[in-house]
Amino acid sequence: NAGVTQTPKFQVLKTGQSMTLQCAQDMNHNSMYWYRQDPGMGLRLIYYSASEGTTDKGEVPNGYNVSRLNKREFSLRLESAAPSQTSVYFCASSEALLSAEAFFGQGTRLTVV
Amino acid sequence: SQKIEQNSEALNIQEGKTATLTCNYTNYSPAYLQWYRQDPGRGPVFLLLIRENEKEKRKERLKVTFDTTLKQSLFHITASQPADSATYLCALDTGRRALTFGSGTRLQVQP
Repeated sequence: NAGVTQTPKFQVLKTGQSMTLQCAQDMNHNSMYWYRQDPGMGLRLIYYSASEGTTDKGEVPNGYNVSRLNKREFSLRLESAAPSQTSVYFCASSEALLSAEAFFGQGTRLTVV
Repeated sequence: SQKIEQNSEALNIQEGKTATLTCNYTNYSPAYLQWYRQDPGRGPVFLLLIRENEKEKRKERLKVTFDTTLKQSLFHITASQPADSATYLCALDTGRRALTFGSGTRLQVQP
């Protein structure tokens, strides 16, 4: 019962470094998402993928890129990390975009110094 | 401006009482509204989904109402227990093709 698996769980980056957050789901879901969560601001959508082969910007896409590698995997890349990207990142998946429950990973706590 | 409002102040109640959490929204006409539970250090977990044509939805001790005229959803936990202590998030479609979340309300149930 893996569900949605994110790696890594914790990461510290220096300003300007790059990294990729990995996400995989084993529920054969069509839709996948990346959110960031900051204190007092709730979850904010960075990018989403309605289905394999498609990606779309969410509310806060600047500074990020994504790849829907296949139906299972959806990665988030920070090309040049900034302190403002210090946050907890959550990947999620669902059968459909709005009308189905979303399953979340355990999160990646990223600190940019 | 368009937004989703949940009470940012924590809700403290006694064990056995009914907890009622509020989700208000403006300038949207969502077809779906969802409620999630989030524990510290964990990802949100789905609880209930209600559609615009449904007034009320129940699941065990949980009840959700959806008033599209008032633009409000109420989330009730009856016979609350200390294990119900968590942050509860509402989420709805705001014209984007993916869910938009409120900032959540923290519930603390005192034994």
